[in-house]
Amino acid sequence: LAKTTQPISMDSYEGQEVNITCSHNNIATNDYITWYQQFPSQGPRFIIQGYKTKVTNEVASLFIPADRKSSTLSLPRVSLSDTAVYYCLVGDRGYSTLTFGKGTMLLVSP
Amino acid sequence: EADIYQTPRYLVIGTGKKITLECSQTMGHDKMYWYQQDPGMELHLIHYSYGVNSTEKGDLSSESTVSRIRTEHFPLTLESARPSHTSQYLCASRSGDRTEAFFGQGTRLTVV
Repeated sequence: LAKTTQPISMDSYEGQEVNITCSHNNIATNDYITWYQQFPSQGPRFIIQGYKTKVTNEVASLFIPADRKSSTLSLPRVSLSDTAVYYCLVGDRGYSTLTFGKGTMLLVSP
Repeated sequence: EADIYQTPRYLVIGTGKKITLECSQTMGHDKMYWYQQDPGMELHLIHYSYGVNSTEKGDLSSESTVSRIRTEHFPLTLESARPSHTSQYLCASRSGDRTEAFFGQGTRLTVV
């Protein structure tokens, strides 16, 4: 199981773009990179998933360099409601056990 | 919206009682998971299942047990609740060929 490393916390202001980087040096060929968002007292919610290069949806973008040893979640123009914990997970589509690390606590201020 | 449900949402129970936390999903997902999470702390995987009659222990040692007799149902049981079991318990499921997991709303358990 590929281990991931993320910053413990980040601060931002409303309207700014936020980039959260995750390191996964021993990612395997079959592994995908998935990001989740969690608000207090709720279960995590899927944000985005990717394998290589760039993926974009209505919520975020995910940038993955060619060596796939890291990935960056990009949140455009954050708002106060984006204050949450963001988790980066690495695993295959088969039997990976969805192990969550400590995540990154993003605090967005007015 | 994800169709995964946990009951009860909140439970306060006395030490020594037997409790079962329910988790059901209507998406036909084969993989299901139980996590334990204290406020402000990370999620710890305590049990998972890859299908009917398949259950495994997770990364965090837990005194709870699980069963998977039907695809849609993955209950977690504590035979004798203790104050150390006070926590939030989250259930999740995913389809076998996808990495996206869906989480229930959680059960906040307090053992007094």
